[in-house]
Amino acid sequence: GENVEQHPSTLSVQEGDSAVIKCTYSDSASNYFPWYKQELGKRPQLIIDIRSNVGEKKDQRIAVTLNKTAKHFSLHITETQPEDSAVYFCAVKAAGNKLTFGGGTRVLVKP
Amino acid sequence: DAGITQSPRYKITETGRQVTLMCHQTWSHSYMFWYRQDLGHGLRLIYYSAAADITDKGEVPDGYVVSRSKTENFPLTLESATRSQTSVYFCASSPPRQGAGEKLFFGSGTQLSVL
Repeated sequence: GENVEQHPSTLSVQEGDSAVIKCTYSDSASNYFPWYKQELGKRPQLIIDIRSNVGEKKDQRIAVTLNKTAKHFSLHITETQPEDSAVYFCAVKAAGNKLTFGGGTRVLVKP
Repeated sequence: DAGITQSPRYKITETGRQVTLMCHQTWSHSYMFWYRQDLGHGLRLIYYSAAADITDKGEVPDGYVVSRSKTENFPLTLESATRSQTSVYFCASSPPRQGAGEKLFFGSGTQLSVL
């Protein structure tokens, strides 16, 4: 089955700095790559996604980049704010209509 | 997202007991999923369902049973609870107009403790 690795597991940044989280996957047939944000005690929520025919997608301060050749994709958060503190999960959709999630990255934005 | 609800919110049980976690959605989403969340493991898929009466195993199905007699309900049963099943369980659904199984809407979760 699909194997998704996410790094780093924790990330501490100063408010206003950028944060980058990277995920690698194993199945070259994977075609959909979402990112979910989970605030403490809350449910995961989709924040951005990208398909395999697109290299980059932006939505205000967040962006996702995809390198299909290297089989990795990354989440970029610019001008971080305290409300960006959360756990972020990448996911991959390969064969079958289901997502495989990475292990998560705990992001702490220090004011 | 009041459209997908889980119950109970918290549950404490003992090893060997049967436990059922409930999931109900009001959107008529065709796809529904059960994930468990454990520290360091992210979200792992237990079972999923493409439609009523169609279910399939995920990554970690052992010890769990699901059913889906109606589109809106997708209960998860632990037949004989073990301590290793202590976890937070999330139900999710996916709208049919998207690529199947893509944009997931999660319930609020059930925190299960097996003593």
